[in-house]
Amino acid sequence: AQSVAQPEDQVNVAEGNPLTVKCTYSVSGNPYLFWYVQYPNRGLQFLLKYITGDNLVKGSYGFEAEFNKSQTSFHLKKPSALVSDSALYFCAVRPRDSNYQLIWGAGTKLIIKP
Amino acid sequence: GAVVSQHPSWVICKSGTSVKIECRSLDFQATTMFWYRQFPKQSLMLMATSNEGSKATYEQGVEKDKFLINHASLTLSTLTVTSAHPEDSSFYICSARDRGQYEQYFGPGTRLTVT
Repeated sequence: AQSVAQPEDQVNVAEGNPLTVKCTYSVSGNPYLFWYVQYPNRGLQFLLKYITGDNLVKGSYGFEAEFNKSQTSFHLKKPSALVSDSALYFCAVRPRDSNYQLIWGAGTKLIIKP
Repeated sequence: GAVVSQHPSWVICKSGTSVKIECRSLDFQATTMFWYRQFPKQSLMLMATSNEGSKATYEQGVEKDKFLINHASLTLSTLTVTSAHPEDSSFYICSARDRGQYEQYFGPGTRLTVT
């Protein structure tokens, strides 16, 4: 079965430090990859996507993600964390032959401490 | 750009009644819309996918007669929870994408509580 794994339920980072939120997937072919963020009491917001091309993609709010085909990973990164980055982050994968349906990771709670 | 609204943001209803939730794309045409449920501290569960003017495609285990989806126009989809029961209480989220978009844009969600 196709799946997306976010191995960490929670990630704690001190403000100003770099952050990484991990995502690996088990999906056939060359899927499309996405990161979304959910702030408390707010809807999911699109952060970034990988479709093709450069393995490092840049997105909103200073976030970036690195696609690694051999490791089937798409880790989310930011060089310097802000307290306002604290939220729930979801990795999602769309098989190229799907009807635009996404396979979701379980989510990772990111806590940035001042 | 790419704003999706949902109405209402929260609703409380009595068991046995029906509730309609609206999802609108405000600044783009939503060729495809999706309806999800999100349980506390869990990821999103896709309920159904709908293309404008077509019948919705429901995921396995989702009762189509209970969760009625109508994608009547390129900017509006509705989810009607019929004969609601307490176990239907959940956070319902819609998303939409336009032709040519790879990503989906999400509404803020609707908190349904059935008493």
